[in-house]
Amino acid sequence: DTGVSQNPRHKITKRGQNVTFRCDPISEHNRLYWYRQTLGQGPEFLTYFQNEAQLEKSRLLSDRFSAERPKGSFSTLEIQRTEQGDSAMYLCASSLLGGGTESFFGQGTRLTVV
Amino acid sequence: DQQVKQNSPSLSVQEGRISILNCDYTNSMFDYFLWYKKYPAEGPTFLISISSIKDKNEDGRFTVFLNKSAKHLSLHIVPSQPGDSAVYFCAASYAGKSTFGDGTTLTVKP
Repeated sequence: DTGVSQNPRHKITKRGQNVTFRCDPISEHNRLYWYRQTLGQGPEFLTYFQNEAQLEKSRLLSDRFSAERPKGSFSTLEIQRTEQGDSAMYLCASSLLGGGTESFFGQGTRLTVV
Repeated sequence: DQQVKQNSPSLSVQEGRISILNCDYTNSMFDYFLWYKKYPAEGPTFLISISSIKDKNEDGRFTVFLNKSAKHLSLHIVPSQPGDSAVYFCAASYAGKSTFGDGTTLTVKP
């Protein structure tokens, strides 16, 4: 399978708990993006990596969110002390370096905070 | 401030007719524009793109038109097929980072 893989597909957690999501990009892609999507809206940029370097982080992202991409391969997105407002679909995408190239998305992780 | 806007939340067309989806943007720094298609329970899938130095790009039944002076782009699907029914997202890119609109749900009726 050469597509972008995200795990888990669904996560239900209690408010206040920490959660971690994983994304495995297409192997030769050096850029990796995290987005959040809520109902009726488009994907909202959270952060992105070029290889292992985190190049940009959205100002909308609170300090409870952290992402890593060790060794420039897979990436993890952690949300600490989850809140009900964190409930959303979290999408990962990867692409080749260079402007204009399309991103390939995973199927997403749907987070529900109860 | 939403930099990419899709003002029509939904569009319904008859099979075989043309579907036209519209998108407006505000940031003149955007240098690539992309359309993605999304089915339920799946991530968005790339459909077609256009560089800011062009005004038209065509791929089979799909054509994207860019009007830089109006900061407007559109996606034309001709002829529309029932399998085209999905949510279509417009995205504008600068330095490799994309900003998405909120999508238009296209329904193609047999």
